[in-house]
Amino acid sequence: AAGVIQSPRHLIKEKRETATLKCYPIPRHDTVYWYQQGPGQDPQFLISFYEKMQSDKGSIPDRFSAQQFSDYHSELNMSSLELGDSALYFCASSFRGRLGEAFFGQGTRLTVV
Amino acid sequence: AQSVTQLDSQVPVFEEAPVELRCNYSSSVSVYLFWYVQYPNQGLQLLLKYLSGSTLVKGINGFEAEFNKSQTSFHLRKPSVHISDTAEYFCAALKTSYDKVIFGPGTSLSVIP
Repeated sequence: AAGVIQSPRHLIKEKRETATLKCYPIPRHDTVYWYQQGPGQDPQFLISFYEKMQSDKGSIPDRFSAQQFSDYHSELNMSSLELGDSALYFCASSFRGRLGEAFFGQGTRLTVV
Repeated sequence: AQSVTQLDSQVPVFEEAPVELRCNYSSSVSVYLFWYVQYPNQGLQLLLKYLSGSTLVKGINGFEAEFNKSQTSFHLRKPSVHISDTAEYFCAALKTSYDKVIFGPGTSLSVIP
């Protein structure tokens, strides 16, 4: 069965650079969630989109932005990267109207040096 | 705000012994409850979920969990653990099917040969 696809799987950037993470949800899923998991931490919710509109916002820094496109894939744009942004970034997708169950991707490991 | 508590940050257990990982949630509203497993350097994998109905839920890899509304708990159990069960385990909750997943802080299970 198709799963949530994230790309790239690994990314190394220097401080003050920008990064773009991509998430391709499970077919027919209309909701995408982004989470950030720092080393030894639990995943923290960043932002979510439903039908291409932002539906909820968590602890996402102002340096980050995200959007969901017409094909429902989503991109997380991160600018002015800091060392503390090094983390595993998860994307999850779900279909609203189904009893809430988010399927997670394998994550993108971002390392800022 | 919805919150999930995992009282044990680390649980060491000998191979073939039983294990229980504890999870409690805030009781302000009805919830949907989940357990996720994260193997080293891997993404999040759904172990099991409670949506409604029977309070005893069986999941993959021989794990089960019991929803206890009066104690607001959703403890994870396995009668006999294997070395391959060594991983981080996250309890998670949703208020409604339209809500984001809220994770607990995680419990690191170490199975000792």
